[in-house]
Amino acid sequence: DSGVTQTPKHLITATGQRVTLRCSPRSGDLSVYWYQQSLDQGLQFLIQYYNGEERAKGNILERFSAQQFPDLHSELNLSSLELGDSALYFCASSVASGRPQETQYFGPGTRLLVL
Amino acid sequence: AQSVTQLDSQVPVFEEAPVELRCNYSSSVSVYLFWYVQYPNQGLQLLLKYLSGSTLVKGINGFEAEFNKSQTSFHLRKPSVHISDTAEYFCAVSSTSNDYKLSFGAGTTVTVRA
Repeated sequence: DSGVTQTPKHLITATGQRVTLRCSPRSGDLSVYWYQQSLDQGLQFLIQYYNGEERAKGNILERFSAQQFPDLHSELNLSSLELGDSALYFCASSVASGRPQETQYFGPGTRLLVL
Repeated sequence: AQSVTQLDSQVPVFEEAPVELRCNYSSSVSVYLFWYVQYPNQGLQLLLKYLSGSTLVKGINGFEAEFNKSQTSFHLRKPSVHISDTAEYFCAVSSTSNDYKLSFGAGTTVTVRA
């Protein structure tokens, strides 16, 4: 158990809908990262937040957005969902500002299925 | 930008045999290198990382990796595998600058058979 929690574990929805994925980092960790894992694109970095502020952006679609709240939990919002958004979404956390050498601790993931 | 190529998508291996998973990276700047493992239905877990110094890095569960700058490689090895090592393994790279972005390879599935 990494100490990172994600809810829900599974999510089934329809095209065009909007969903919110939630992540609670390890106690004391200030950085939160979101990743998407799909069969065709592999594991891709989406976005990072540090202490409430966006710090780095990866291959995140404009239909997707995220935020980190004062209690450091984070939410990833996916809107206008398409079939291709079906994937496993991981959250990870690290202790400090997200310097590249910091170890990231991954949650168990949220499996999203868009029908 | 950095990128990673994992040269084997699947590696079957017998229990107690050695295993090597190959990883090559591409980057125009200095890099940090990582190996993560993903057990079935779980998140990723860090096995080891190379930041600087000795090119031979030892990690958890008996794994080790060697950084070879001239060959831009970071191959992962274990001298004797167990059934419990059955998992998917990801090589990842990031630049050493503060412009953070971790890029993962496509993964190598290791299946250990008795």
